[in-house]
Amino acid sequence: GAGVSQSPRYKVAKRGQDVALRCDPISGHVSLFWYQQALGQGPEFLTYFQNEAQLDKSGLPSDRFFAERPEGSVSTLKIQRTQQEDSAVYLCASSLWGRWSALIGAYQPQHFGDGTRLSIL
Amino acid sequence: GDSVTQMEGPVTLSEEAFLTINCTYTATGYPSLFWYVQYPGEGLQLLLKATKADDKGSNKGFEATYRKETTSFHLEKGSVQVSDSAVYFCALTTGYNFNKFYFGSGTKLNVKP
Repeated sequence: GAGVSQSPRYKVAKRGQDVALRCDPISGHVSLFWYQQALGQGPEFLTYFQNEAQLDKSGLPSDRFFAERPEGSVSTLKIQRTQQEDSAVYLCASSLWGRWSALIGAYQPQHFGDGTRLSIL
Repeated sequence: GDSVTQMEGPVTLSEEAFLTINCTYTATGYPSLFWYVQYPGEGLQLLLKATKADDKGSNKGFEATYRKETTSFHLEKGSVQVSDSAVYFCALTTGYNFNKFYFGSGTKLNVKP
């Protein structure tokens, strides 16, 4: 597709269940980001992939959160033993940013999906 | 560390009023600055950008000027429309740190007919 696709759009789970959120980035985009957006707040960085390599996971709130991108395209964010405080919108973004961008200090716009709204009961 | 501070909302205006949403930033290095817009039920969309000092980004009647001396990137529009009602996010990236974005907390704009 033309844009970043996320599924499901809405997910309701009971506390303690595991959930998996999927992100399909724009074809050819090297970089992929996951953000968490709490109600009334801006997106907060969770983790970053360059191709299949997870280069930064400093934003993951706990070891219950796990992300992967095994073939350098589709990514999955998994949350184990969900808690109520995990309720948020999870946004995925992709960009063309890569090593050449870093060398010249050039930005690349991030293209966002519509997000997955996760509600933990 | 890098961060963005933007004015709290909601901002309520009548149609055709002038809009200003303030944004200031703290950054190491030389950031690129952005405004993103989030319409109800939709994802974030890039509204405009500026990549160096004194650059002016513009799109759909919105403008913002990158002011290094005041570390600001205020969003303005001369005449708002009901369709501009959305949440606006100021953001920055330094480009060096794998293009990681830092977002402000968002400002909700309500435009009444």
